[in-house]
Amino acid sequence: QKEVEQDPGPLSVPEGAIVSLNCTYSNSAFQYFMWYRQYSRKGPELLMYTYSSGNKEDGRFTAQVDKSSKYISLFIRDSQPSDSATYLCAMSVGAGNNRKLIWGLGTSLAVNP
Amino acid sequence: NAGVMQNPRHLVRRRGQEARLRCSPMKGHSHVYWYRQLPEEGLKFMVYLQKENIIDESGMPKERFSAEFPKEGPSILRIQQVVRGDSAAYFCASSPPRTGGAGTEAFFGQGTRLTVV
Repeated sequence: QKEVEQDPGPLSVPEGAIVSLNCTYSNSAFQYFMWYRQYSRKGPELLMYTYSSGNKEDGRFTAQVDKSSKYISLFIRDSQPSDSATYLCAMSVGAGNNRKLIWGLGTSLAVNP
Repeated sequence: NAGVMQNPRHLVRRRGQEARLRCSPMKGHSHVYWYRQLPEEGLKFMVYLQKENIIDESGMPKERFSAEFPKEGPSILRIQQVVRGDSAAYFCASSPPRTGGAGTEAFFGQGTRLTVV
């Protein structure tokens, strides 16, 4: 079993839809939870990160962490064609120089106009 | 303020040749990470470096691969005697000193796509 599981999709939604992207994990030692967006042929860019259970909102994006269920989500409201990309979840474990990021495989999202 | 710069963007090497991938971190960033990405495998951590030090190379193959981050100049990922299986996208990320480790504020470059023919 992988430490971080993420459905690769692809996920296809109409413009304006609410998108829900999810990752599950098995290591209860994970501390920070991050979402990155990666456009085709580009490097990943950090969207949001959270530390504790609960919600964090930034514009149309909401990151949710449920540590008891070992489950994280990224919600995109009023999705736009420009949101079409691969979304990767990442989780950190360890401290200082020993901290590592463990990545999901990414979910491919297409928002259709 | 330029982002993380990687070059070349595309690199073609014949089997047995050497590949040298360069990464200039963002200004003020002293932590550099190298990742390899394959379509079916996602992002795989290779190595974490600070200036003149390798902090964590647990993801780096023991043979043919090496990395450095000298006091002056870019970080270099070097692959000797390349094989077809080395074909992948290689990403570099950097983060500022205060985060450390695989920092939450890592910024990625555009990657180098290595093709071994």
